[in-house]
Amino acid sequence: DIQMTQSPSSLSASVGDRVTITCRASQSISSYLNWYQQKPGKAPKLLIYAASSLQSGVPSRFSGSGSGTDFTLTISSLQPEDFATYYCQQSYSTSITFGQGTRLEIK
Amino acid sequence: EVQLVESGGGLVQPGGSLRLSCAASGFTFSSYEMNWVRQAPGKGLEWVSYISSSGSTIYYADSVKGRFTISRDNAKNSLYLQMNSLRAEDTAVYYCARAFLDTAMVRSLDYWGQGTLVTVSS
Repeated sequence: DIQMTQSPSSLSASVGDRVTITCRASQSISSYLNWYQQKPGKAPKLLIYAASSLQSGVPSRFSGSGSGTDFTLTISSLQPEDFATYYCQQSYSTSITFGQGTRLEIK
Repeated sequence: EVQLVESGGGLVQPGGSLRLSCAASGFTFSSYEMNWVRQAPGKGLEWVSYISSSGSTIYYADSVKGRFTISRDNAKNSLYLQMNSLRAEDTAVYYCARAFLDTAMVRSLDYWGQGTLVTVSS
């Protein structure tokens, strides 16, 4: 299976900060990379698909980049509703795998 | 409005069986691939199984292969997960999720249900 490793595992930041989360794949996955946001007790929500495409309805402060093995999710100016856990996920392989998650907390 | 509603979770003893259902509405169910994804308490997301729109192609995670069976009934707009030989490590919230295929054939999971909790314990 393709292993997905996110860094950091947790992050403290303030409203208005610019935040970057990194995801690394154990082999090249081209642009077969998606990002999700999950709040406590809720289902995950798709933010970014195909590494850099913004899902409909998602605020433009979210952006994604990368290809091959290294990817980033950037939130340009943190809002109170953005404090959540973020997961990357590869769909290059028929066996989908997720990163371990990055918990974004209020500083 | 797209809706996915899971049901069938509950408490089951180790070695027991359970069948989860996911009722879909608000879209043409027969046109979409579907998945089951689970999340153990306090843990991350784990993909469980995939089924193509027609049901002809199926994949499983190694952790459930041989024990779980995914299926669908397009006439009833429903997705199922038959879970046999359940273990304590299968305890999790189980989500059904619709697959979205973009123009570059990249799959993502664009709609998720609210989840149903399965607890395996004696």
